[in-house]
This record gives sequence, structure tokens and C-alpha cells, in this order.
Amino acid sequence: EVELVESGGGLVQPGGSLRLSCVASGLTFSSYWMTWVRQAPGKGLEWVANINQGASAKYYVASVRGRFTISRDNAKNSLYLQMNSLRADDTAVYYCLSGTYYDYWGQGTLVTVSS
Amino acid sequence: QAVVTQEPSLTVSPGGTVTLTCDSSTGAVTSGHYPYWFLQKPGQVPTTLIYDATNKYSWTPARFSGSLLGGKAALTLSGAQPEDEAVYYCLLRYSSGWVFGGGTKLTVL
Repeated sequence: EVELVESGGGLVQPGGSLRLSCVASGLTFSSYWMTWVRQAPGKGLEWVANINQGASAKYYVASVRGRFTISRDNAKNSLYLQMNSLRADDTAVYYCLSGTYYDYWGQGTLVTVSS
Repeated sequence: QAVVTQEPSLTVSPGGTVTLTCDSSTGAVTSGHYPYWFLQKPGQVPTTLIYDATNKYSWTPARFSGSLLGGKAALTLSGAQPEDEAVYYCLLRYSSGWVFGGGTKLTVL
């Protein structure tokens, strides 16, 4: 059974930093693109970033480009999202996704940016 | 950045048929946008229903089907069930990344 478990969310002040992690099991992690999607409270889904199998290709939504960095460690079956210069509108549940066709979702981790 | 537009809300009768659409601000939606459809029920993690416009997963109920229709991606629900009441999101691929639509709240009533 495939499982994606996110962690690292929490309360952070505007301008602060946070690093999210997603640990995958039940699949060959190194074979798949990995993606972060977020959902602000009461709002829709927003695609944030993705990374290819070898970490040579990374894409970001315009609103986080230059502030967020996606990375992965295939030896640890882990995906990361380093979030810097956080703003109130970054407040959301952050999900990691995997699979050939966005098959699998994690349960999400809540990031709250507030003073 | 491209804008992806969905109907904000739709209502379908139990047993009825409804089509949700997904439009792109850059022009016609094509197979090159690799359209996806997701379903999210209140308080739950989204699940993926359709990939590459028309393909289903093993867990996708047979009453759901995807297509490209009139320059848009479309999700058709035939024989709506009360448990299909949810928000449905489409996702399209662009050269710079992917963009979700705003979601369609489907009511089965």
C-alpha cells in the first residue's frame, strides 16, 4: 500500500521559514515525479511545485518562485519543501503527491503564517 | 500565468446526468494539457478521478467519464448518486507548470 506522510507544518511568523517533508513508502520513490499542492482554508487547490526523478527539473507557481525550494532525497524516499519569506497568504494545508498520474495523495500538513 | 475556469456550482438530480467543464484562458484545451479531474468531499483529502483527459483509475466509478468537448476538458457524471456530492477540480499542464481550476461544487438534489 502506498503511503505519503507529510510533516513539518506549524505556526510561523510572517517573514519566517519552514521546511516541509514528505516520506513515501510502498512505491519506488525514485521512479516518480513528486509534487506539492496546497489548499488555503475554505479555498480551492493550488499547484505549488514539482520535481523530476533525478531532481534536474523543478517547476514552481509564480507566487512562490524565489521563496520556496523543492528538493528530494531518493535514498531516504523523501520530498522536501523549503519555504522562506513566508506570508499570510501561504497559510494552507500542504499535500504531497506521487505516482505516474498524480495517483497518490498524502494527508497534508497545515502551515499557518501569522503574528 | 494561465487561468483555468470551471463552473462555480452545478446541481444534478439523483440518477441524472451532468457535465462539468474546464476552460483555459490561453485557448482551447487539448490533450497536450493532460487534463486531470479530482474530487474532494468536505474534510477529506482529494482523490484523483481522471488523467490525460479520458483515462480512469482502478478506483474511478464507471459513472464518471472524461472527454475533450468544444475546446474544453469535460467530466460527465451519468447516474448521479448522493455520495457524488463534492467539489470537483480540474488541473491542466502548461509549459511553466500546472494550474488548477477554481472547482465546481456539485450538489445532488
